[in-house]
Amino acid sequence: DGGITQSPKYLFRKEGQNVTLSCEQNLNHDAMYWYRQDPGQGLRLIYYSQIVNDFQKGDIAEGYSVSREKKESFPLTVTSAQKNPTAFYLCASSIALTARAFFGQGTRLTVV
Amino acid sequence: SQQGEEDPQALSIQEGENATMNCSYKTSINNLQWYRQNSGRGLVHLILIRSNEREKHSGRLRVTLDTSKKSSSLLITASRAADTASYFCATDAGAAGNKLTFGGGTRVLVKP
Repeated sequence: DGGITQSPKYLFRKEGQNVTLSCEQNLNHDAMYWYRQDPGQGLRLIYYSQIVNDFQKGDIAEGYSVSREKKESFPLTVTSAQKNPTAFYLCASSIALTARAFFGQGTRLTVV
Repeated sequence: SQQGEEDPQALSIQEGENATMNCSYKTSINNLQWYRQNSGRGLVHLILIRSNEREKHSGRLRVTLDTSKKSSSLLITASRAADTASYFCATDAGAAGNKLTFGGGTRVLVKP
């Protein structure tokens, strides 16, 4: 079954901890994205990657890091430097940066 | 700041009525896309319109694009309760970087 999978669905983090959100796709897409969504708001771009071993900062990259070692995988690490990490995180992929994007079901991160 | 901005922020209609929402953007684009998001879920692609197209249809959806005004509209005809969702426009920022950025969304409530 082709698609994009995010895990876990819910994640709780203590203050001061780093946490990594998983995003895997089997659509053979080159481009992948991470967005953050706050309640009642739109999506803000954190990082994006056009191709393996390459990624670019989006509009709100501070406090986040990513890697793109494999075409299928684009994990996002929320570091302790991110002051307000509680949010809904969405991963997406597309065949190219300007093409239709396919989204995962999201990870809801809560700092406790 | 966000490339696309939707208007209105929220819309409440009766089942069977039409729903219209607008998206304005700032820089030239290659294409503009509309997505739908049910509460707490990922986004689903609805329609993509290229910068050289003026109108596109898909089922009960009609999208227009006016590049001279840097605006687009999404019309949902004969709305159903199942159309209740948030709707987002996304643009690729044209020559400015091609990354896919989203507006703040229009929250549509269709009352049965």
